[in-house]
Amino acid sequence: KAGVTQTPRYLIKTRGQQVTLSCSPISGHRSVSWYQQTPGQGLQFLFEYFSETQRNKGNFPGRFSGRQFSNSRSEMNVSTLELGDSALYLCASSLMGLSDTQYFGPGTRLTVL
Amino acid sequence: SQQGEEDPQALSIQEGENATMNCSYKTSINNLQWYRQNSGRGLVHLILIRSNEREKHSGRLRVTLDTSKKSSSLLITASRAADTASYFCATSRSNDYKLSFGAGTTVTVRA
Repeated sequence: KAGVTQTPRYLIKTRGQQVTLSCSPISGHRSVSWYQQTPGQGLQFLFEYFSETQRNKGNFPGRFSGRQFSNSRSEMNVSTLELGDSALYLCASSLMGLSDTQYFGPGTRLTVL
Repeated sequence: SQQGEEDPQALSIQEGENATMNCSYKTSINNLQWYRQNSGRGLVHLILIRSNEREKHSGRLRVTLDTSKKSSSLLITASRAADTASYFCATSRSNDYKLSFGAGTTVTVRA
């Protein structure tokens, strides 16, 4: 089976812009979760989608949003970008959810200037 | 905020030696998972241990879980240069299943 794919791999934006990141899960996986990784805060959970519904949400402002499509592909959107949003954004897929083994994609490196 | 704390933050060992790292957490969990990350790439799942299990093995990896102490350890035996990476523990919390990661242990294996 193909692994989790994320596009784009690298992105440079300026403050105030918005960005959309995409994640394609492993075939058959219905859960997709998103994480932000920074040197200062480490790996932090953003949200989880299961069958097109947001099932869990971390402690991030409303500027961070996501959605999941009927084919389980997911997108994450960050509006009004801030310098502190520079990070590696990782998505993971699993069969049943967060208590299951997570399969991670390679990540999208976002730089906000 | 992170649920897990890992110890040590960094570890440097000689090839062939064993590496042990520890993870402590704060709340009740469904399971605890260990992941490896090579240099800013995606995470690779290593092992999952459920809250009712005490020890689990996978190849050169041995994980223990002590729910009374809210702690886990990961042992890598006979280390290789390819084991050089950051290792993270992640807990799936009992009340909401959210996955919470520790700060990680950076392991360097010297040839």
